[in-house]
Amino acid sequence: QITLKESGPTLVKPTQTLTLTCTFSGFSLSTSGVGVGWIRQPPGKALEWLAIIYWDDDKRFSPSLKSRLTITKDTSKNQVDLTMADMDPVDTATYYCAHSVEGATGVPLDFWGHGTLVTVSS
Amino acid sequence: QSVLTQPPSVSAAPGQRVTISCSGSNSNIGKSSVSWYQQLPGRAPKLLIYEGTVRPSGIPDRFSGSMSGTSATLDITGLQTGDEADYYCGTWDNSLNAGVFGGGTKVTVL
Repeated sequence: QITLKESGPTLVKPTQTLTLTCTFSGFSLSTSGVGVGWIRQPPGKALEWLAIIYWDDDKRFSPSLKSRLTITKDTSKNQVDLTMADMDPVDTATYYCAHSVEGATGVPLDFWGHGTLVTVSS
Repeated sequence: QSVLTQPPSVSAAPGQRVTISCSGSNSNIGKSSVSWYQQLPGRAPKLLIYEGTVRPSGIPDRFSGSMSGTSATLDITGLQTGDEADYYCGTWDNSLNAGVFGGGTKVTVL
């Protein structure tokens, strides 16, 4: 059974750096084809794709946020970290991590964490 | 402004059918398969369809997907009150080299 859970601060100040951790179980990020992605959703708004990291350490980022994002994995801990620099109130959102379907085109995400709401405010 | 375009809302009576469209371009839907997600109020998104037409285990066959050219469609038949939710399409964009989502469609059961 695959599960994912996001953790990190619920409140950050403008200009600070946010680090979120996705802790997962039921799969290994050292297995060929496996990926973990991050998605966010501002209150009342649509989903926004942020980044993904694969078993081979291949990483992809949203072009609009690429300069601010870092994604890393710790295979031994079954964790993926997302770092977003220079936070702004417009970055207030629920942040989700999700498992990507192995071998499927279009990078579908089949298991999602519950999400964590991050508020950016001074 | 989302890369993929969906209608903001659709509605129908219980038992009826709704169709949700997702329009993209040659760099995304034209080259990659579409996924559909259901997001119930206050919940995380749930994968309904991937690779355009494939239902994950446990998804009822009332939900079906199709693709043609640079567009995709999600059909929900036998509409139930529990289907009231936001629905999102998503895929990979080869020009952006990133995932993309539609703006979401709110389904209302009248």
